[in-house]
Amino acid sequence: AQTVTQSQPEMSVQEAETVTLSCTYDTSESDYYLFWYKQPPSRQMILVIRQEAYKQQNATENRFSVNFQKAAKSFSLKISDSQLGDAAMYFCAYRKGTGNQFYFGTGTSLTVIP
Amino acid sequence: EPEVTQTPSHQVTQMGQEVILRCVPISNHLYFYWYRQILGQKVEFLVSFYNNEISEKSEIFDDQFSVERPDGSNFTLKIRSTKLEDSAMYFCASSEGLRYEQYFGPGTRLTVT
Repeated sequence: AQTVTQSQPEMSVQEAETVTLSCTYDTSESDYYLFWYKQPPSRQMILVIRQEAYKQQNATENRFSVNFQKAAKSFSLKISDSQLGDAAMYFCAYRKGTGNQFYFGTGTSLTVIP
Repeated sequence: EPEVTQTPSHQVTQMGQEVILRCVPISNHLYFYWYRQILGQKVEFLVSFYNNEISEKSEIFDDQFSVERPDGSNFTLKIRSTKLEDSAMYFCASSEGLRYEQYFGPGTRLTVT
């Protein structure tokens, strides 16, 4: 069974600093996708970044990057130059390559300190 | 930018009643989904819908639940005979295709009393 674990319920970071959010997952599949979604307070989840399992190169989107360690089944999110608008709940998610359903972690609440 | 919308934002219902949660997916999307999040727990997949039929569903999605696309724009989740444990945030999502990004709506908070 696929499971996604986020071991940090809460994190905080000083504005302009860097923070890393952890995520591990368990799967026996070889074809899958991993995602980080951001959910600001009272707003919908939006996609931050995605990683295809077959790609060795870590995905990057502006200040957001991932450290994808396939053998260790680890998928952490690094946020550089943190901004106040980054404050949100961050969810790590997994999806099989041919599947529809996402498997989400429990989320990490990120606070950005001015 | 197109968004998934959901109505109502908050629904309160009595145990045993039926509720219908409504979603308007992004117009050119072909796949539609419902998820739920019980307070303090993970977001859980309920069902996916494509070409006017259910393409995948979880164990949660039993006979109490049904989905429908009654017209060209709405996608609904019906919960029959609601129970206290159905209280949760229900998220709708849509995507262009199977391997594409899922766009989420803001959610409907369902409270069963």
